This record gives sequence, structure tokens and C-alpha cells, in this order.
Amino acid sequence: DIQMTQSPSSLSASVGDRVTISCRASQGISNYLAWYQQKPGKVPKLLIYAASTLQSGVPSRFSGSGSGTDFTLTISSLQPEDVATYYCQKYNSAPPITFGPGTKVDIK
Amino acid sequence: QVQLVQSGAEVKEPGASVKVSCKTSGYTFTGYYMHWVRQAPGQGLEWMGRINPHSGGTVYAQKFQGRVTMTRDTSISTAHMELSSLRSDDTAVYYCARDTLPIVVLLDGWFDPWGQGTLLTVSS
Repeated sequence: DIQMTQSPSSLSASVGDRVTISCRASQGISNYLAWYQQKPGKVPKLLIYAASTLQSGVPSRFSGSGSGTDFTLTISSLQPEDVATYYCQKYNSAPPITFGPGTKVDIK
Repeated sequence: QVQLVQSGAEVKEPGASVKVSCKTSGYTFTGYYMHWVRQAPGQGLEWMGRINPHSGGTVYAQKFQGRVTMTRDTSISTAHMELSSLRSDDTAVYYCARDTLPIVVLLDGWFDPWGQGTLLTVSS
């Protein structure tokens, strides 16, 4: 099975900072990667799919990049409402669906 | 709009079974895979498997093979997930989540939307 890792496991940054989260697949997955945001006590929310396509309604400060085994989620200017845990998910390499372990983002 | 509404919280004893429901509306139920994901307290997301609501065909994560059964009732656009031989480490929030790709594509996609979650507590 393809394993997904994320780094860092947590980070603390100031409002307005640029934040990057990495996700790595143990084998190439083309661009079959999604990113989710989960705020404390809430349901996961889709941010990005196909590695770099922004879901409708998601603020443009979020962006995704990468292909193959290495992917990045970037928040261009961190806002207080971005405090959450972020998960990557690989799909369409079948099965199983696999999630990364998550990256917790806090405000410094 | 697409909505997934799950059944309420459950408390079960070890060894028992639980059945969680996910009632859908706002789209063609048989047109998209339905996935089940769980999240133990303070932990990450764990994919359990998915059902093809059109055919009833299922794919389960190896970890849950033999303990999980996913079914559907097309007459009421509802998916069900039953987990048996419950243990304390099955305590978690269980989510249903709709695949975004039409079944005719025959591929697993990303998930949107998700149900609100069902908390299962396994305790004696």
C-alpha cells in the first residue's frame, strides 16, 4: 500500500506569515491528491483536489502544488480562522484511500 | 444542495455491533460512491471502505475486513455502515463522505461533502 507522510506534524506561525505544509507519497501518485482542513470539533472540509485545483469557495490564499511523490499546501498569509489540522489524501490508486497523519497549524 | 445526515451518537459494550446510517439528499444517490472514514479521539482520519450505491459492491480497508459491512437502501437514499465485535479502540467519530467523481468513471475521487459525524463510544 502507498503510505502518506506529512511534515511538519505541527507548526506555529504569526498572522500574515506564509505557511507551507509538505505531503509525501511512498510511490508516485501523479496528481491524485486532495487537501482537507479540519477545525477543532468540526467536519473535514475540502480545500484542494487534483493537487492544485482550489475547491469553489475556498479563499485564494490557499494553494497546492506538486506531482508524483511530493506535494505542498501553501497558505500565503495566515489568518486566525486558518487554525486547524490539515490532511492530505491520496485517491484513485486503488484502493485504499489513504490520508496523511495531519499537520496542526496554530497562531504564534 | 447535497446533504448527508447521519444517525445519532451510540454507546455500545465491547463485543457488540453498531449500525450507522447516512441519509442523503440533493443528488442521485446511485450515481456516486459513498465512503466511510473514522477519527479516534485526538487522532487522524482513517478510511474504512466504500460502497457503490448502484450495484451494492463494496471495497473495505484491510484493517476492517471481516468486521465491517456497508450496505445501502436505494429506496430511501441511505447508506449504512455496520461494525461488529466492537472494542474500546473503536471509540471514534464515524463519517460518511460522498465521492465527487461519478460512478461511471470507475475511479475513486476526493470527498465532498461529509456527513456531520456519529460518535461511537465503546465502553463496559
